[in-house]
Amino acid sequence: ELKVEQNPLFLSMQEGKNYTIYCNYSTTSDRLYWYRQDPGKSLESLFVLLSNGAVKQEGRLMASLDTKARLSTLHITAAVHDLSATYFCAVDRGSGGSNYKLTFGKGTLLTVNP
Amino acid sequence: EPEVTQTPSHQVTQMGQEVILRCVPISNHLYFYWYRQILGQKVEFLVSFYNNEISEKSEIFDDQFSVERPDGSNFTLKIRSTKLEDSAMYFCASKRDGNTEAFFGQGTRLTVV
Repeated sequence: ELKVEQNPLFLSMQEGKNYTIYCNYSTTSDRLYWYRQDPGKSLESLFVLLSNGAVKQEGRLMASLDTKARLSTLHITAAVHDLSATYFCAVDRGSGGSNYKLTFGKGTLLTVNP
Repeated sequence: EPEVTQTPSHQVTQMGQEVILRCVPISNHLYFYWYRQILGQKVEFLVSFYNNEISEKSEIFDDQFSVERPDGSNFTLKIRSTKLEDSAMYFCASKRDGNTEAFFGQGTRLTVV
């Protein structure tokens, strides 16, 4: 059974600071996704990482994937209050055809304080 | 921009009643899903649907659950006899192919009383 572990689960940081959220997963996969969820809202896709060494950046967020280490990171640069949300990584262990499905981590609740 | 739409946004039902949650996936997508999220917890996979049939289901998706794609646009989740523990946010999602992300609807908050 695929397990996806995120840490930290809670992150309180000051505006302007940098931090990294880690996502480890237990079985081979080369498809990893990061989502953002605001309270009571849906899941918004942030990044799609499809190969070893993939790096994607959008604004103050950068995501990377190391499939050999089974690790993805979400790096936050110079945090601002608007980044406060819960961030989920999700791994797709689908082997093709109809078997795509996402296994989510527990999420990291990020609070950015002024 | 195309989006996944779900109705209703909130449903309150009595224990033992049947509920149907409705979803309209993005039109050119091929893979359809239901996930649920109990308040404050992680998002859990329920079922995937491809080529007009269930491709995979989780342990949560027991005989009380069923899915249908009756008319080529709607995708429904039925819970036949709801339990208190079915209270959760239910998300529908759709995906174009294996190399794209799943897009999630706004969710239906189901409250079983």
